[in-house]
Amino acid sequence: DTGVSQNPRHKITKRGQNVTFRCDPISEHNRLYWYRQTLGQGPEFLTYFQNEAQLEKSRLLSDRFSAERPKGSFSTLEIQRTEQGDSAMYLCASSSISSNSPLHFGNGTRLTVT
Amino acid sequence: AQTVTQSQPEMSVQEAETVTLSCTYDTSENNYYLFWYKQPPSRQMILVIRQEAYKQQNATENRFSVNFQKAAKSFSLKISDSQLGDTAMYFCAFMTPQGGSEKLVFGKGTKLTVNP
Repeated sequence: DTGVSQNPRHKITKRGQNVTFRCDPISEHNRLYWYRQTLGQGPEFLTYFQNEAQLEKSRLLSDRFSAERPKGSFSTLEIQRTEQGDSAMYLCASSSISSNSPLHFGNGTRLTVT
Repeated sequence: AQTVTQSQPEMSVQEAETVTLSCTYDTSENNYYLFWYKQPPSRQMILVIRQEAYKQQNATENRFSVNFQKAAKSFSLKISDSQLGDTAMYFCAFMTPQGGSEKLVFGKGTKLTVNP
């Protein structure tokens, strides 16, 4: 169990640029989640994959956001035309399909939009 | 919609003492799970303890225990014999298995500082 890996750890970008983050879940985990955490807040759910299928998206996920998990393994989260309000920690978590399997979180990618 | 409220933004405790973090939630579901997660500074979030709503017995994990009051929709975390390594943000979270995704709904967190 190597844990959930997220890259990069930090990303600084200028407003209007596109950014992409990667998440490598624990290898046997079917479920993958993306959350966003802003300063002073708890994580907020963005989207959920079961294997390669994106089964749920939050209303927080605007049209500028897209997530993929093409082979049911790693996932990417892309933000197009970044805005300052996108500055946050983006957390990835994974779990197995068995009922109430705990979520394992990665270290997150901290995005700063200048 | 489910909501989770943590009314204590910050707390502090002396090493070796006991501290209780509060959490209340709102839901119309009868089947759900409650969690406490710990997020140390610049480190990943880890699960501290979990409670199934259908279980009357309060969950315990070593120095961590919960007081689950289902009727009051309250789920507090007690940390006994506090250690310096317990310094972290603590998040209360709710999950219902209805709907399939089993996503977590988090509170805003309580910043706990353990003082030597």
